[in-house]
Amino acid sequence: QKEVEQNSGPLSVPEGAIASLNCTYSDRGSQSFFWYRQYSGKSPELIMFIYSNGDKEDGRFTAQLNKASQYVSLLIRDSQPSDSATYLCAAMEYGNKLVFGAGTILRVKS
Amino acid sequence: DADVTQTPRNRITKTGKRIMLECSQTKGHDRMYWYRQDPGLGLRLIYYSFDVKDINKGEISDGYSVSRQAQAKFSLSLESAIPNQTALYFCATSDMSGYTFGSGTRLTVV
Repeated sequence: QKEVEQNSGPLSVPEGAIASLNCTYSDRGSQSFFWYRQYSGKSPELIMFIYSNGDKEDGRFTAQLNKASQYVSLLIRDSQPSDSATYLCAAMEYGNKLVFGAGTILRVKS
Repeated sequence: DADVTQTPRNRITKTGKRIMLECSQTKGHDRMYWYRQDPGLGLRLIYYSFDVKDINKGEISDGYSVSRQAQAKFSLSLESAIPNQTALYFCATSDMSGYTFGSGTRLTVV
């Protein structure tokens, strides 16, 4: 069973701080990884995806991938209360199927 | 109009009843998916379809069936609903840059 593991949290950070969200995956064949944000009762929204080792930045968000360690992370700089949500990590399998982690709850306190 | 539309948004049904959840998309994507989400378990794949003639079981297909009526339409049926099928159901379409999710159907089986 291919798995994506995330700490369920909640992760609490003060406003303006850096939030660091982590994810590990079991399938070494996975090539692409995705971070989604989901507000309670709403559908997941894509934040960014990464498929190369290293860092990828988009605004306040940085995704990091280390294939040797099978580790993906998402950094959120200058965290805002509106960033409070559940963050889902997903790995893409053959056939464009996404395997999701259970999500990490992030709470940004003002 | 939303790119991926799910109906109904909410539904309460009785144990043993047949129910259909509908999904339509305007993205023009061939690939469509049905996921269910339960608290603490993340999103789990029920069925997926690469085109009208290609339908595949996902991780948790027992108790469910699907129909791909056209490129734009993908329906999920519960032939005889049971209480542990109470969940939030998402339809999604995809291309290589990721998934687009519908707004979800909250199904309660009593």
